[in-house]
Amino acid sequence: EAQVTQNPRYLITVTGKKLTVTCSQNMNHEYMSWYRQDPGLGLRQIYYSMNVEVTDKGDVPEGYKVSRKEKRNFPLILESPSPNQTSLYFCASSARPNLLNTGELFFGEGSRLTVL
Amino acid sequence: GESVGLHLPTLSVQEGDNSIINCAYSNSASDYFIWYKQESGKGPQFIIDIRSNMDKRQGQRVTVLLNKTVKHLSLQIAATQPGDSAVYFCAEKILSGTYKYIFGTGTRLKVLA
Repeated sequence: EAQVTQNPRYLITVTGKKLTVTCSQNMNHEYMSWYRQDPGLGLRQIYYSMNVEVTDKGDVPEGYKVSRKEKRNFPLILESPSPNQTSLYFCASSARPNLLNTGELFFGEGSRLTVL
Repeated sequence: GESVGLHLPTLSVQEGDNSIINCAYSNSASDYFIWYKQESGKGPQFIIDIRSNMDKRQGQRVTVLLNKTVKHLSLQIAATQPGDSAVYFCAEKILSGTYKYIFGTGTRLKVLA
């Protein structure tokens, strides 16, 4: 089954304790992206990757890091989490858009992070 | 994304009636649009998409209408069912040369029994 898998789904942590949220896709997609979702706001892009070893900042990258060492994995790293990073996080992937493929985004189930 | 407040607009619909959810998109250069459904505790799921060279596209019980003149998108759900209760939001992008989507804030659909 084609899917995007995130772990953990739920996490409560404390300020300053480094954490990593993993994301893996089994669709051989080139593009992967991380979003955060907060009440009343649309999905906001944190970082994205257009291919292995290629990453770039989205709209809200501060306080986050990513890596793309393999095509299927795109972990999100919070080196020193702060309470304003409490949010619902989504990983997504898509194929390269072309005339036949619109590049539909496939989302993971989300990771709810609480930073105390 | 610009904040529109802490509370999502809510549409309450009687089971069996038709639902219409609206979205104003922001970029006149956008040429591809998607509607997503997000159920509580789950990730967004693709419902239907439309390219800018179309005004209307129909799926199973869903229809998307695109009005480029006023930058407006709507999702129509026929014979709304309890399982349709969710948050619905639109997304837009420029197909050529970018993967970047712009997402709307969403509308909560409540189906009344």
